[in-house]
Amino acid sequence: SYELTQPSSVSVSQGQTARITCSGDLLAKKFARWLQRKPGQAPIVVIYKDDERPSGIPERFSGSSSGSTVTLTIRGAQLEDEADYFCYSATDTNRFFGGGTKLTVL
Amino acid sequence: EVQVVESGGGLVHPGGSLRLSCAASGFNVTRNFLSWVRQSPGKGLEWVSLIYPDGTTYYADSVKGRFTISRSVSNNMLFLQMDSLRAEDTALYYCEREGDFAVWGKGTTVTVSS
Repeated sequence: SYELTQPSSVSVSQGQTARITCSGDLLAKKFARWLQRKPGQAPIVVIYKDDERPSGIPERFSGSSSGSTVTLTIRGAQLEDEADYFCYSATDTNRFFGGGTKLTVL
Repeated sequence: EVQVVESGGGLVHPGGSLRLSCAASGFNVTRNFLSWVRQSPGKGLEWVSLIYPDGTTYYADSVKGRFTISRSVSNNMLFLQMDSLRAEDTALYYCEREGDFAVWGKGTTVTVSS
């Protein structure tokens, strides 16, 4: 079994850059996705394959990877970016989620 | 539009059963990797089960032997049959179409309580 570790909370002032990290041995060999979850809404993937951004996701969202750590960066964070963010990855037979990071935009 | 919509949640006694459904639109359930994921109150996301396009299935240890994932070609739906339910199965259950263009639903709530 693999563990993915995220900070429980991150705060950022509106317009500033937020960075959320996710660490785990699995990430050194498998891609990660980042999931944004807001109350009452369907979660959406904001980054896949470590650094790819789906169409429709604002350019201020980006992802990067280094060794066993992936990072979600939100440049110029907006109030609407306040949400829970989860990293997740997969093996052939299992899926693994980080504990989630609550992003607060002040 | 590609989307999934979960249904079938509700209140059930410990030891009881429930069948969750996930209606898929905009894609074929037999050509995609599909998962069930849950979030218990105050906790993070937990993967529950996965079905491959070829029908191969996998389960989290916490539900193995109690839950069964399946799909219907005719209705283009995914299911999760949950038996021998426990209080710790109480959660919001999500259906996910996996892949580079992953899609999640809003979830359906399952409460296991006497």
